[in-house]
Amino acid sequence: SQTIHQWPATLVQPVGSPLSLECTVEGTSNPNLYWYRQAAGRGLQLLFYSVGIGQISSEVPQNLSASRPQDRQFILSSKKLLLSDSGFYLCAWSPRGLQGYEKLFFGSGTQLSVL
Amino acid sequence: QKEVEQDPGPLSVPEGAIVSLNCTYSNSAFQYFMWYRQYSRKGPELLMYTYSSGNKEDGRFTAQVDKSSKYISLFIRDSQPSDSATYLCAMSANGNQFYFGTGTSLTVIP
Repeated sequence: SQTIHQWPATLVQPVGSPLSLECTVEGTSNPNLYWYRQAAGRGLQLLFYSVGIGQISSEVPQNLSASRPQDRQFILSSKKLLLSDSGFYLCAWSPRGLQGYEKLFFGSGTQLSVL
Repeated sequence: QKEVEQDPGPLSVPEGAIVSLNCTYSNSAFQYFMWYRQYSRKGPELLMYTYSSGNKEDGRFTAQVDKSSKYISLFIRDSQPSDSATYLCAMSANGNQFYFGTGTSLTVIP
């Protein structure tokens, strides 16, 4: 069966520090991968999605970046965090090209607090 | 206009009640519809998945899609305190891009 791992669960970082959040998917190959941010009381905001290694689409211009160095690994990064980067970050995956499986599966999330 | 509209609630019901959660959408190309349950500080969990119109039942949960009205619903029968969570609707036209409602907060009171 497929599983998605996301870590860390909680992170407290000072303003101006770098960020690296990692997500891996097991039990499938060639998935679509996504990073979302969820602010309190607001919906899910798509940040990045990827259809393959090295292929990243950015939905929101900001100081965050994403990379996909391996087929089932997705990394969210920042060189210098801002206060506004605080939020709940979710990694997700969906099977690609598999009819009947047009759905998203989420990781457990990372609560990021920038102080 | 947002792609997906969902009443944020909060919704509070007594244990055993039938709960109705709803979303409307504007894009007639949507054909894949999902409901997620999210507990506080956890990732959303896929509850129901429906392709095109019609009903789908899974235990106490029933998902309905009315494409002519651009309206989807999730019904929870015999609601339990453990159903207390935020429920998110989601939909997609192509299985690559997904659009979410803002979520409805539900509390089931024992």
